[in-house]
Amino acid sequence: DQQVKQNSPSLSVQEGRISILNCDYTNSMFDYFLWYKKYPAEGPTFLISISSIKDKNEDGRFTVFLNKSAKHLSLHIVPSQPGDSAVYFCAARGWGGGSQGNLIFGKGTKLSVKP
Amino acid sequence: DGGITQSPKYLFRKEGQNVTLSCEQNLNHDAMYWYRQDPGQGLRLIYYSQIVNDFQKGDIAEGYSVSREKKESFPLTVTSAQKNPTAFYLCASSIPGTGNTEAFFGQGTRLTVV
Repeated sequence: DQQVKQNSPSLSVQEGRISILNCDYTNSMFDYFLWYKKYPAEGPTFLISISSIKDKNEDGRFTVFLNKSAKHLSLHIVPSQPGDSAVYFCAARGWGGGSQGNLIFGKGTKLSVKP
Repeated sequence: DGGITQSPKYLFRKEGQNVTLSCEQNLNHDAMYWYRQDPGQGLRLIYYSQIVNDFQKGDIAEGYSVSREKKESFPLTVTSAQKNPTAFYLCASSIPGTGNTEAFFGQGTRLTVV
């Protein structure tokens, strides 16, 4: 059973507009959430993260929002640029050692930003 | 420059052969991971190691083996028992068990069985 879900396999947005990528999780023990960006045939690169004690984290054009009661997080990209076109993975981890500290990934959302 | 190096980038294997994928990191991270990516499947955890000389199975360990003899190295062997080995393999490392740190990924190895 998927613990991290990205229900939209793809998203198409016009350049300059906002991109909103969504992610839901089921495990209430997750306390740290990350977004990764991935280009084809490359490894994922870390984009932004948020701790469960916060509800918002901002870094330039990228903002992540966390709604713990709904077990939902979202990544906002404003304004979207063609170079943002990539697959975005949502990931979550619990606190502590062992398997709890492993990242659990969603299936990804492919973002296409059209000029 | 610190980072994770995976080699080779592309690998072809005949059916029935074992093949080993290399992963080296100079980030001084204790934890290392192997993931597999298939189209539409996201990243699935194969094996992980929190410390030298110790490793644990992930969600899809069948047909794979690993070793962790050195902190810097975490090679993955894809054995002939792996029924569908063609995939994109990603190695990652992180500081284990401290919550607010990200994992760093290598550039990946695309394995194709011919």
